Parts: sequence; structure tokens; C-alpha cells
Amino acid sequence: RKEVEQDPGPFNVPEGATVAFNCTYSNSASQSFFWYRQDCRKEPKLLMSVYSSGNEDGRFTAQLNRASQYISLLIRDSKLSDSATYLCVVKTTSGTYKYIFGTGTRLKVLA
Amino acid sequence: DAEITQSPRHKITETGRQVTLACHQTWNHNNMFWYRQDLGHGLRLIHYSYGVQDTNKGEVSDGYSVSRSNTEDLPLTLESAASSQTSVYFCASSEQIANTGELFFGEGSRLTVL
Repeated sequence: RKEVEQDPGPFNVPEGATVAFNCTYSNSASQSFFWYRQDCRKEPKLLMSVYSSGNEDGRFTAQLNRASQYISLLIRDSKLSDSATYLCVVKTTSGTYKYIFGTGTRLKVLA
Repeated sequence: DAEITQSPRHKITETGRQVTLACHQTWNHNNMFWYRQDLGHGLRLIHYSYGVQDTNKGEVSDGYSVSRSNTEDLPLTLESAASSQTSVYFCASSEQIANTGELFFGEGSRLTVL
């Protein structure tokens, strides 16, 4: 089983739609959680960190469920510019710390 | 502005050749990482370093080596390139903060081994 798992998609949604991605992780010692966005052939960039209480940044909402070991990303009112791959990243801090990446969920917003 | 740069951005080499990919960051971050990205696998950790003279193996370190002689640079060396090492390589750095610490990525180096 992979340490961080995501549905690869693609998710094809119309403009204005609401779309949600989930990500599960296996290491209960994981301490920090992030969503990164990666455009085609570009480097990943931080979209948002995920806090225990959940957090929102404009149209984006991230939530963490430690008991079930998953994080989610909700995108409201999708824009064409939201088309990208969304990477779930888990940082573990047991002993040394590492960033573990999911394989990504591809989103395509259609006009 | 602080940044992280990789070079070369594109390289084609032959099987058996030694290749070095450079990574330079100006954030003064202690932590630096090398990942490779392949279809179906996402980003996989090759080597990482928490400071000068510190290097550690990641999950796919075979065939790769790194050295950390200063804070700014973490070059990745393929001692004898193999076709299986054709990939996109990303260098990243982060501050040493226990429970936070955004990863900043370079633009990537696309390596083709023929």
C-alpha cells in the first residue's frame, strides 16, 4: 500500500462546478499536510497547508480527518485556470522528517 | 528575490556516462531534497540533506549520489547513467521548522538517457 494515495482522475468538470478531492495516508505519525498544484511540465507549487481545524483560502477549502487519516480539498466555482494536477503531500516527523507525495489528481475544467 | 535554480534544464546523454545535475538555492535553507517524477509514480525521493556535510538516502537512491559542501548547493550525480533514469528531476528546499515548512521547488531538469 502506498503511503499517500489519491484518485488519479481525471476529473472533468464544467466551469462553475464544485469539485472535491480526497487523499488518504497510512502513517499515523504524519504531522503536516499540504496540497500542491502542478501545471503540465512545471514544478509543484504550494496551494495551501492543511490545518487540523480546516482552513479556507478563497474558493479553496482544505480539511483534515486524523481519525480516518485523510485530507480533502474542495474547489468551489471552478475556473478554467484551475485545470492542473493537485498533489497531496504528507510530512512525517518520526525520527527524521520527509515529505511524501501522492501521485496527484488531475483536474480539467471545461468551458 | 530568493530562488532555487536547476541546471541543465534539459539534457540528453548516453548509457554509462556520468551526469551531474546542479541545484542552487539562495534562501539559506538547511534542508534540500532531490525527487524524480515519472508517470504513475508521482514524486519519489532520491536523496536529501539537512545541512552541510549531511546526506541521506531516499526511497530510490540506487545509482545516484549527492554531496553537500555548502548551504546553497546540492548536486545530484548519476555515476553511470541508465535508461531507467530517464525522468524529470526536481530539487527542493525548505526551512528547518518542525511541523510546518513549505517546500520550494526548482523548475526541474529533464534527463533523457539513450
